[in-house]
Amino acid sequence: GAGVSQTPSNKVTEKGKYVELRCDPISGHTALYWYRQSLGQGPEFLIYFQGTGAADDSGLPNDRFFAVRPEGSVSTLKIQRTERGDSAVYLCASSLSGLAGANTGELFFGEGSRLTVL
Amino acid sequence: SQQGEEDPQALSIQEGENATMNCSYKTSINNLQWYRQNSGRGLVHLILIRSNEREKHSGRLRVTLDTSKKSSSLLITASRAADTASYFCATPYYGNNRLAFGKGNQVVVIP
Repeated sequence: GAGVSQTPSNKVTEKGKYVELRCDPISGHTALYWYRQSLGQGPEFLIYFQGTGAADDSGLPNDRFFAVRPEGSVSTLKIQRTERGDSAVYLCASSLSGLAGANTGELFFGEGSRLTVL
Repeated sequence: SQQGEEDPQALSIQEGENATMNCSYKTSINNLQWYRQNSGRGLVHLILIRSNEREKHSGRLRVTLDTSKKSSSLLITASRAADTASYFCATPYYGNNRLAFGKGNQVVVIP
């Protein structure tokens, strides 16, 4: 597609359940980012992929969170044993180069997946 | 942790007025970016200013960068109701592999 696509747009789940959030980046973008945004806050970095590998996963809050990008395109963010504190909007972004310090380091964001844990 | 910090946090103006918001950051950077987010939507890139630039224009947007003060400003001239949104500054962080975002500045333009 023309932009970054995220599914589902909304997900309501119960505490303790497992959740998967999917991101389909812009074709040809090698870099993919996951961010989490709580109400009234800026996006908080979770993980960065360059190709198939997680180049930086230092933002993942704990081992309940995991993300994959097996073919270097679509990525899935997986959250195990969800907690109410996981409720947030999960944003995916892709970038042509992945080098935020480069002059073409613009990120293209999807519309986000709103996760609500009851 | 967030790198940028916008100021003021909320701004309400009349259509046609100018809106100015500021951002400060903590470490040396290669560039600084501004993004807009409409309510319930994803972020949209507005403008990128390099560390060797002091001012940049894009349409009704004017961005300044003062690396000595580690600060940037975003000016929206002749605001429109459609400019109502949250505006975030973002800077490269940790080896330039990711962007760190500030808390955002909510702008409401009253028609």
